Amino acid sequence: DAKTTQPNSMESNEEEPVHLPCNHSTISGTDYIHWYRQLPSQGPEYVIHGLTSNVNNRMASLAIAEDRKSSTLILHRATLRDAAVYYCILSLNQAGTALIFGKGTTLSVSS
Amino acid sequence: EPEVTQTPSHQVTQMGQEVILRCVPISNHLYFYWYRQILGQKVEFLVSFYNNEISEKSEIFDDQFSVERPDGSNFTLKIRSTKLEDSAMYFCAARDRSISGGYTFGSGTRLTVV
Repeated sequence: DAKTTQPNSMESNEEEPVHLPCNHSTISGTDYIHWYRQLPSQGPEYVIHGLTSNVNNRMASLAIAEDRKSSTLILHRATLRDAAVYYCILSLNQAGTALIFGKGTTLSVSS
Repeated sequence: EPEVTQTPSHQVTQMGQEVILRCVPISNHLYFYWYRQILGQKVEFLVSFYNNEISEKSEIFDDQFSVERPDGSNFTLKIRSTKLEDSAMYFCAARDRSISGGYTFGSGTRLTVV
């Protein structure tokens, strides 16, 4: 599986934007970039995914570098509820493909 | 939002006993997965299941594990003879044929082997 590198932890203040980076220099042409998060004592939760173009949804935005070797998950206004572990995962976007989780980035949000 | 429901939320069992963890996926989902997370560690893939067959499994998913979808709705993970190191959160996940969305995970079953 292609590997991703994320910072172990990041801190943010409430109502400020948060940019969570992910490096994936060995990404293949068919790998999608998926982001999931895991709130304390809960299962992982889908955030967003994309292939080449930047993506937006109600939860976040995904900015993908032109060479696709890195990406950034953007939370536009952090809330206390956004404190979680955020996982950047490379995977074929096929329904049967398993997601392989790394250690992720632990995001802390202060009021 | 549609949910993946897991039961029980917490199960305590004695070492050597069999346990069955249950998951009720969203009705139109076709692909099912089990993951586990040992306390303080990362989420680990166990097995994927489609069309009543295992599609993929990890090295963790050895002969003591089995999965089935006995009645077309419930999706179960059976551990035949539990060990202390099987203590973990077990998450069920599901996905439909559409690739526009993501995988939906349940809230998990906390298994404690004593």
